[in-house]
Amino acid sequence: DIQMTQSPSTLSASVGDRVTITCRASQSISNWLAWYQQKPGKAPKVLIHKASNLESGVPSRFSGSGSATEFTLTISSLQPDDFATYYCQQYNYYPGTFGQGTKVEIK
Amino acid sequence: EVHLVESGGGLVQPGGSLRLSCAASGFTFSNYGMRWVRQTPGKGLEWVSAISGSGDSTFYVDSVKGRFTITRDNSKNTLYLQMKSLRGEDTAVYYCAKEAAVVVAATYYYYMDVWGKGTTVTVSS
Repeated sequence: DIQMTQSPSTLSASVGDRVTITCRASQSISNWLAWYQQKPGKAPKVLIHKASNLESGVPSRFSGSGSATEFTLTISSLQPDDFATYYCQQYNYYPGTFGQGTKVEIK
Repeated sequence: EVHLVESGGGLVQPGGSLRLSCAASGFTFSNYGMRWVRQTPGKGLEWVSAISGSGDSTFYVDSVKGRFTITRDNSKNTLYLQMKSLRGEDTAVYYCAKEAAVVVAATYYYYMDVWGKGTTVTVSS
């Protein structure tokens, strides 16, 4: 099974900060990686698919990069609405595997 | 607008059964594979089951094989998850999600582009 490991598990940041979350796959997944945002009590919402493709309606401050086994999600200038938990998911190998999540907290 | 609305969750005793439903709207339901994904505080997000658009192909995580059955009624735009022999570790919020497919060289890759709000299943005596 493909293991997805996110780091850090928790991140404390301030509004306006540049934030980077890393997701590592236990083996190559090409660029078949999605990023999801989840707020408390809400369903996950897809932000990025195929490692770097922004979903329609997602603010441009979000960006994704990487390939093979290492990927990053970057928020260029953290906004109050961005405090949430972020998950990566590989979908190179069906049905896909999620990372354990990164919680972005207010510093 | 695409909507998924789950229902059917609740409190059930160990060994009991429950059927979850997911009503879909805003897209051609039969054209898309669908999934159930659950979330527990301890294990995060976990894919549970998936079904093709036609309903001909189904998939399950090992921990629910033989206990859960995924089906769909394309005439009613509804997805189901029949859960039997429930265990404490099945306690979770259950989400239904629509698959988005990316096709490259005749190979399909699926992520989830729309999620419902979830329904809570609690297995406890």
